[in-house]
Amino acid sequence: GIQVEQSPPDLILQEGANSTLRCNFSDSVNNLQWFHQNPWGQLINLFYIPSGTKQNGRLSATTVATERYSLLYISSSQTTDSGVYFCAVVYNTDKLIFGTGTRLQVFP
Amino acid sequence: EPEVTQTPSHQVTQMGQEVILRCVPISNHLYFYWYRQILGQKVEFLVSFYNNEISEKSEIFDDQFSVERPDGSNFTLKIRSTKLEDSAMYFCASSQTGTGKGFGPGTRLTVT
Repeated sequence: GIQVEQSPPDLILQEGANSTLRCNFSDSVNNLQWFHQNPWGQLINLFYIPSGTKQNGRLSATTVATERYSLLYISSSQTTDSGVYFCAVVYNTDKLIFGTGTRLQVFP
Repeated sequence: EPEVTQTPSHQVTQMGQEVILRCVPISNHLYFYWYRQILGQKVEFLVSFYNNEISEKSEIFDDQFSVERPDGSNFTLKIRSTKLEDSAMYFCASSQTGTGKGFGPGTRLTVT
């Protein structure tokens, strides 16, 4: 089956810093989503991005489907950005296959 | 914006008991899913449901699990005889077309 790897596994930032999170996948995918899991465990959909680039406020994402990776950019990080970030791909059926996650901690 | 809702937010049960987790998907969505996340691990697919039947299930989704859409709005996950290893966060998701999916807030199941 497809492998979905995220890096780095852990990231510690000071408020105001920028960061890039990476998601690599081992085969062609039909769709890709980025999620933020907040400290209460809720999964918040950030982007639905099978290809190209999207921006939403301080967050943006780019997926290069031909090279099998996606990047999530967080600019001017805030403490509320803390949590775990997951990418998830749709492979040969419509289920989502989640990556291993990046745990982000932002300190004031 | 419409959201997926789940009840209860937290359920504590004893090993061997039956539990039913409830979800109300977004109203015009046609595809429904259950995922689970054991504490500290990644989110895993359990089952997908379309047109009143299971369209796909994972190895985790054994005979102890069942899903149902009892009416036009609810989507339930039943675990017949809970085990300690069923302790996890259970997420319901729905989709209009089978692509972009919205997730509910989750039900934390604790089996003692």
